[in-house]
Order: sequence, then C-alpha cells, then structure tokens
Amino acid sequence: EPEVTQTPSHQVTQMGQEVILRCVPISNHLYFYWYRQILGQKVEFLVSFYNNEISEKSEIFDDQFSVERPDGSNFTLKIRSTKLEDSAMYFCASSDATGKNSPLHFGNGTRLTVT
Amino acid sequence: AQRVTQPEKLLSVFKGAPVELKCNYSYSGSPELFWYVQYSRQRLQLLLRHISRESIKGFTADLNKGETSFHLKKPFAQEEDSAMYYCALRTGGGNKLTFGTGTQLKVEL
Repeated sequence: EPEVTQTPSHQVTQMGQEVILRCVPISNHLYFYWYRQILGQKVEFLVSFYNNEISEKSEIFDDQFSVERPDGSNFTLKIRSTKLEDSAMYFCASSDATGKNSPLHFGNGTRLTVT
Repeated sequence: AQRVTQPEKLLSVFKGAPVELKCNYSYSGSPELFWYVQYSRQRLQLLLRHISRESIKGFTADLNKGETSFHLKKPFAQEEDSAMYYCALRTGGGNKLTFGTGTQLKVEL
C-alpha cells in the first residue's frame, strides 16, 4: 500500500535557525496538508495546499511558516526562524480529493526539537 | 468554533472486556466525524468514519447528533487494540480536521 513518507524522522535545530521538513505524498494525491502535535497536546491543523497554492491555513501558520511543492513529488514545510515553541511532531498528510470520500493519509511524522 | 472533547486520557481494560472511548463535539453545522488510531511508533491511520457506518477491527461508532457524541465501541477488547485513539471532526468541504486530545487505550491480559 502506498504511504506518505517524511524525512528526517528527527530534526534538532537551534533557536533562530531555518528548518525544512520534507514530505513525499502518495503519488496520485492532489491535496497536501501539514499538521503538528506539541508533546502532550492535540494534533493541530497548520495548512492545506492544492494546485500549487495554500487553500487554507490556521492562525498558527504565521509568516514564519511557508510551504512549497518544489517538484512533482516533494512537499516541504519551512520554518524561517525557529522558536522553542515550534518543538513538536510535524505530520504531513495527503488526500486524493476533498470531501466525504477522501480520507487523509498521514506520514510517520518528523519530530522537531528546537534548543 | 468547533471543538472535539475526549475526556479520558487513559483507558485501561482487560482483554475480552467491552471498550467505549468517548468523544463529544461542538459544531454548529453538519459534522463529519472520524476515529484515527496510532499504534506504537506508527503513523496516524483512519479507523472509521461516521458516513461509512462500517465496522473496522470490531470497532463501531454511531453519530448521536442529539448528544453531540461519536463514541467508539468494541464488545471484546483484544491486546492488539492497545493504541492511541483520536476523534476528529471535519467541517466544511475541505480536509481541515479538528482533533481531540486522544485517549490511550491499554488492554491488559
């Protein structure tokens, strides 16, 4: 069964540094998402992306965050200047369409630790 | 604003006992509810969704709009059911999900 893959599995970075989290969605999927989970808290929606543009974003997704689909396979989340509170598990997801018949397929996540 | 509440952080049951993981939601529109499961060190996986009215791995969940609940049930717990379970609410036509905080189910022998 095809899977969403995320790299790296764990990223450690210093506060103020830029970090890029990478995801390879399922190949025939058209919609891409980032969610995050701070330790001990709920999984939170960050952003959805379709047709090379952001379709929806949450209040968490401020100017420090950006997403990109640089080629036909990768989907990246960039944090420009990381803060301690950005430490979390970041999940990428994809789906083949929006609506009732298109469940999200999640990756294994990247654990980001900001020191 | 929409909200999903899972009141139990941890639920511990014996093998063979019935399981009920509670989920309540708050949403003014027409909700679409899901249960996701995360086994140890694995990814979040869709377990079931209310529109399918299906039973997966013996689990069922019924949407009760009067009580705004979508509790997950299984008549006889198995050891392999031990995992983290998340209830999620989809609002509107997109795939923005609002998750609950999750319930860790531990099935003991």
